[in-house]
Amino acid sequence: DVLMTQSPLSLPVTLGQPASISCRSSQGLVHSDGKTYLNWFQQRPGQSPRRLIYRVSDRESGVPDRFSGSGSGTEFTLKISRVEAEDVGVYYCMQGTHWPRTFGQGTKVEIK
Amino acid sequence: EVQLLDSGGGLVQPGGSLRLSCAASGFTFTSYGMSWVRQAPGKGLEWVSAVSSGGSNTYYADSVKGRFAISRDNSKNMVYLQMNSLRAEDTAVYYCAKSAQFDVWGQGTTVTVSS
Repeated sequence: DVLMTQSPLSLPVTLGQPASISCRSSQGLVHSDGKTYLNWFQQRPGQSPRRLIYRVSDRESGVPDRFSGSGSGTEFTLKISRVEAEDVGVYYCMQGTHWPRTFGQGTKVEIK
Repeated sequence: EVQLLDSGGGLVQPGGSLRLSCAASGFTFTSYGMSWVRQAPGKGLEWVSAVSSGGSNTYYADSVKGRFAISRDNSKNMVYLQMNSLRAEDTAVYYCAKSAQFDVWGQGTTVTVSS
């Protein structure tokens, strides 16, 4: 199974400041179709997960442009350019290239 | 609007069975594989099972293989998860998710395995 490792696991951030979450995979995530299926999910307190980013850097419709994804190979990053109060929650990376699908441990973003 | 509505959770004794259901709407159901993902209390996300768009291919996490069975009814836009021989460690919120990349999630249904 592909191991997904996130860091940090806890991220206190000041409102209006940037935040960055790292995700590392134990294997490359390039699919046989040439695409890299690395997704980012946000789970606000008491809510279902919601996909923010797919294929490394494509934003879902309706996701604010302060969220961006980048990376390649086995190293990926989710960045929030200016954290807002509504961004509090847990963020997960997930690889969608190999079965079984595997998630990172989650990074809890909170306001300082 | 794309929507997934999960149901069927509840309290069950160890060794018991439960069937979860997921009602899909707002998209061409027959074009997408579907999955179940669970989240134990205070823990992260764990993929459980997936079924292909036509229903002929199924996939399972090692932790549930041989005990759980996923199926779908394309005439009703429904996905099911039959859970047998339940254990305390199966206690979780179970989410239905659309496609192989989980682009849409249900609201979740809670399964508690306890005597």
